[in-house]
Amino acid sequence: NAGVIQTPRHKVTGKGQEATLWCEPISGHSAVFWYRQTIVQGLEFLTYFRNQAPIDDSGMPKERFSAQMPNQSHSTLKIQSTQPQDSAVYLCASSLGAEVFFGKGTRLTVV
Amino acid sequence: AQSVTQPDARVTVSEGASLQLRCKYSYSATPYLFWYVQYPRQGLQLLLKYYSGDPVVQGVNSFEAEFSKSNSSFHLQKASVHWSDSAVYFCALRRTGGYKVVFGSGTRLLVSP
Repeated sequence: NAGVIQTPRHKVTGKGQEATLWCEPISGHSAVFWYRQTIVQGLEFLTYFRNQAPIDDSGMPKERFSAQMPNQSHSTLKIQSTQPQDSAVYLCASSLGAEVFFGKGTRLTVV
Repeated sequence: AQSVTQPDARVTVSEGASLQLRCKYSYSATPYLFWYVQYPRQGLQLLLKYYSGDPVVQGVNSFEAEFSKSNSSFHLQKASVHWSDSAVYFCALRRTGGYKVVFGSGTRLLVSP
C-alpha cells in the first residue's frame, strides 16, 4: 500500500497561469478529500467526493478552483489564473471508514 | 458547528521528559477524535484515534491520548519524548456519520537535547 499519492510534490507557476494538481487515492477507498494548508489559515477543507461523485465543495473558492474525479483512481484540483494568495500546500486524502489518510501534499508557489 | 482548539502554538520539552499536548473540542455529541503528526515537508500521519469505549487510547510510537467527555478534551501524552518527536501535532474531529475532518491549529513540538 503506497498510501495516497500526490503529484507533483512541488509546483511553481507564474501569476495568471493555470495549475493542475493530481491525486491517486488508496485503492478501494470511496471518499476523497482536498484540503489546503497555509501558515495563516491552517488546514482548510476544500472539497469532498464519495464514490467519484462531488458531494461538498463548500470550501472551494468558486471562481478559479475546480476539482474532478473522473475515475476511482485519481482526482485533480485545477486552479485557473493563479494568484500569489493561492500559494499553499494542497493535501489530498482518502478514506473508507472513519480514518482519513493523507498524501504528502503538493506545495504550490505562485510567483 | 464543531470546532477544535489547541491552546498551545508551541511547546518545548527536554529529551526524556514527559509530554502533554492539549486539545479541546466543541461538538454536541461524542465525535471521532484523532491526533495527526506532520514532519517537515510531509503529509499528515495518523498517530491515534478514538471512536468509543476505553477513554485512553494507544497509538504509534508510545503516544497515548485520553478522552474526557466532561471536559470535551482529548489530550495527547507521552511518557518520555525523543528528539525525533519534534514535529507539528494536529488534533482533529469528525462527527459521527459525517465526512468532514475539522482540525485544530496545531502545536509545534520542539524536543531539546
